[in-house]
Amino acid sequence: DAGVIQSPRHEVTEMGQEVTLRCKPISGHNSLFWYRQTMMRGLELLIYFNNNVPIDDSGMPEDRFSAKMPNASFSTLKIQPSEPRDSAVYFCASSSSSRDTGELFFGEGSRLTVL
Amino acid sequence: SQKIEQNSEALNIQEGKTATLTCNYTNYSPAYLQWYRQDPGRGPVFLLLIRENEKEKRKERLKVTFDTTLKQSLFHITASQPADSATYLCALAIRVNRLAFGKGNQVVVIP
Repeated sequence: DAGVIQSPRHEVTEMGQEVTLRCKPISGHNSLFWYRQTMMRGLELLIYFNNNVPIDDSGMPEDRFSAKMPNASFSTLKIQPSEPRDSAVYFCASSSSSRDTGELFFGEGSRLTVL
Repeated sequence: SQKIEQNSEALNIQEGKTATLTCNYTNYSPAYLQWYRQDPGRGPVFLLLIRENEKEKRKERLKVTFDTTLKQSLFHITASQPADSATYLCALAIRVNRLAFGKGNQVVVIP
């Protein structure tokens, strides 16, 4: 089975530009999570979806960030306009409520650099 | 305030020895705690889960303990190998579908 697939793996953009990160969760998983990782703050949860519905977006930094999950196999995280402080690695993860371990399966991440 | 603390200094250890990592937390009452491994440029990978009513969990050369009184989990890698070199993160289940992660502790196993 393919794991969680994220694209792009690397993105370099200029301040003010729109950035769209994409994620395909593991088939059959009903929860999807977007995390951001920086050296200073570690891994922070931005938003999570359950059955394609956003459940908790309290970690989304501000209105410049938005996330969608139009169907069970695709999600996007958009930053508009981007700022240098958004530079980080963004991870998508998925999980299944049928597993009692609650383990998250992470993608390889999208490294974003905003100049 | 709520905190999850892992040692920021890398743990350098000789091959064959036991590596022990600590995860301390304050102002949380997690139902369970997980440990993940992260290699450079990769996403975290789940290793083990331990519940609040369990004292110890083992998986191959890994052992995790969970002391809810001390608010601490210990993560042990026995007979460490160079391939165990990575960053290890603890994660607390603070709500349903909500994990709070520590910043991780790097382990370097010296051949």
